[in-house]
Amino acid sequence: AQKVTQAQTEISVVEKEDVTLDCVYETRDTTYYLFWYKQPPSGELVFLIRRNSFDEQNEISGRYSWNFQKSTSSFNFTITASQVVDSAVYFCALDSNYQLIWGAGTKLIIKP
Amino acid sequence: EAGVAQSPRYKIIEKRQSVAFWCNPISGHATLYWYQQILGQGPKLLIQFQNNGVVDDSQLPKDRFSAERLKGVDSTLKIQPAKLEDSAVYLCASSLGGRGQETQYFGPGTRLLVL
Repeated sequence: AQKVTQAQTEISVVEKEDVTLDCVYETRDTTYYLFWYKQPPSGELVFLIRRNSFDEQNEISGRYSWNFQKSTSSFNFTITASQVVDSAVYFCALDSNYQLIWGAGTKLIIKP
Repeated sequence: EAGVAQSPRYKIIEKRQSVAFWCNPISGHATLYWYQQILGQGPKLLIQFQNNGVVDDSQLPKDRFSAERLKGVDSTLKIQPAKLEDSAVYLCASSLGGRGQETQYFGPGTRLLVL
């Protein structure tokens, strides 16, 4: 069965700290895609990244970076030098066998 | 490029009343999705269209929910009659290609409160 686990329900850090959001997935498929979305208080889900199962290279985009490790079935998300505007709920999702499976989300609070 | 548009943004109704939501996807996107998101949870897929055909409606409560995408572009989702547990955010998303493994882009959502 496909499953996505975001064990951290809520994380609170002070601005400028680095923070890592964990995502662990389960699937029996060899071809699958992983996503991260950001949901700010306004409610809209904002696409951040899409990664396929054959590409294990880490990705960096500005202050955001993603670490994909098939050996541990993890796709973790790190924000460097966090800012108040990063406060949001972050969702990890798995597209496997043509279904998008969502984690429960991690609420990130950045305190000034 | 314009994003996914939804209206209304907010709606308050009483139980047993009817309500309809509208979604206009990104231009050229063949696939359209409706999700229900209850506070504190991830989105739950209600229905998926490819062009104007239904691909997946396995989690749509068909006794009270209906959706259509008549011309393969915009779509409406209706609830009739509404129950208290329908209070949620209804999100519309679209993706470029056919089913599976495409990035979904979301609209701002409609927040529904059923009293």
